[in-house]
Amino acid sequence: EPEVTQTPSHQVTQMGQEVILRCVPISNHLYFYWYRQILGQKVEFLVSFYNNEISEKSEIFDDQFSVERPDGSNFTLKIRSTKLEDSAMYFCASLSGNTEAFFGQGTRLTVV
Amino acid sequence: AQKVTQAQTEISVVEKEDVTLDCVYETRDTTYYLFWYKQPPSGELVFLIRRNSFDEQNEISGRYSWNFQKSTSSFNFTITASQVVDSAVYFCALSETPRRGAQKLVFGQGTRLTINP
Repeated sequence: EPEVTQTPSHQVTQMGQEVILRCVPISNHLYFYWYRQILGQKVEFLVSFYNNEISEKSEIFDDQFSVERPDGSNFTLKIRSTKLEDSAMYFCASLSGNTEAFFGQGTRLTVV
Repeated sequence: AQKVTQAQTEISVVEKEDVTLDCVYETRDTTYYLFWYKQPPSGELVFLIRRNSFDEQNEISGRYSWNFQKSTSSFNFTITASQVVDSAVYFCALSETPRRGAQKLVFGQGTRLTINP
């Protein structure tokens, strides 16, 4: 069964450092998303990406965040200068036009 | 604005009991989708069900069943004869009609379900 793959599963970084979270969506999917879940809280939408551009972003997704689909298979989330409050589980998701969103297993980001 | 409310923060029952997880939503759209996801201790999000707003039929899948009532804007989830493996956090979510591909999900706060042996 096709699945969304995220790497790494856990990343520890120092405050102020840049991190890149990577995702490989399901190959024939067209819509891509990043969500965030701070420990013990609900899952929150960050950004959606379609046709090689951002289609919607939340208030959380400020100038420190960016997304890219550099090579037609990977979908990345970059945080330029991490803050302590960026510590969370980050989920990538993809879907085709008429399916439910398929989520990756998540990347746990710890900023120290 | 879209909103999903799961009023039950935590539920704890003894194995084999039936348990219902409540979900109430708000939306101005007439076309939308409702979802339930399970998040086990390992952390991944496991899809359980998607229901569109035009289909109010109840759904049963093994020990799981869902009751969708548009009149009360509710989409409740019942586990019959609960098992320890059902212990997880369960999230209800809503997505409205996609605009430019942005079929984003709005999640509730989640209900932590603990099944005790």
